[in-house]
Amino acid sequence: DQQVKQNSPSLSVQEGRISILNCDYTNSMFDYFLWYKKYPAEGPTFLISISSIKDKNEDGRFTVFLNKSAKHLSLHIVPSQPGDSAVYFCAASMQGAQKLVFGQGTRLTINP
Amino acid sequence: DARVTQTPRHKVTEMGQEVTMRCQPILGHNTVFWYRQTMMQGLELLAYFRNRAPLDDSGMPKDRFSAEMPDATLATLKIQPSEPRDSAVYFCASGSRPNTEAFFGQGTRLTVV
Repeated sequence: DQQVKQNSPSLSVQEGRISILNCDYTNSMFDYFLWYKKYPAEGPTFLISISSIKDKNEDGRFTVFLNKSAKHLSLHIVPSQPGDSAVYFCAASMQGAQKLVFGQGTRLTINP
Repeated sequence: DARVTQTPRHKVTEMGQEVTMRCQPILGHNTVFWYRQTMMQGLELLAYFRNRAPLDDSGMPKDRFSAEMPDATLATLKIQPSEPRDSAVYFCASGSRPNTEAFFGQGTRLTVV
């Protein structure tokens, strides 16, 4: 039972354009959402998060949008840079619990 | 430089052998997670501890996997006996409180032949 789903295994974007990564979840008890970035042979590193009391959080080139009614979140990267090429995981947790449930990941490739 | 440290980074073993993976969480973090990365499931949670007590190990095959925290600076994940289907990258992560990020180690790449 995959509670957090990233339906696009891969995404290719031209350098300088916007990258949009999507994530859906099924458990309405989730109230905190995160995006992690992972390079080969390294552990995932935290990128940005959002609480369910917000619908948008921005940090530099990265913005996360949350649509609670649709149980959907997205990560926007603009402008995309070659160093953004990595696997991106979305994750979710429930109130008071630290357990993070991850999606399957989306491999983002930024083309020069 | 606070980081989660995992050893070994790589392990090749024969089917049937015992495998032990170790993790040193970030000092002061009270929650430790073990995840396994697979192609199909992404990052799947195997077990997690808070204040050294196991909170959830439902993702772990109980007959062959075991996870412990002998003390606050060491978490272990053991597989006995190992099987080829256990081949994966195993990540340890630590965190300090709910609604904050967890910090991951670099992982242990396990190959069971």
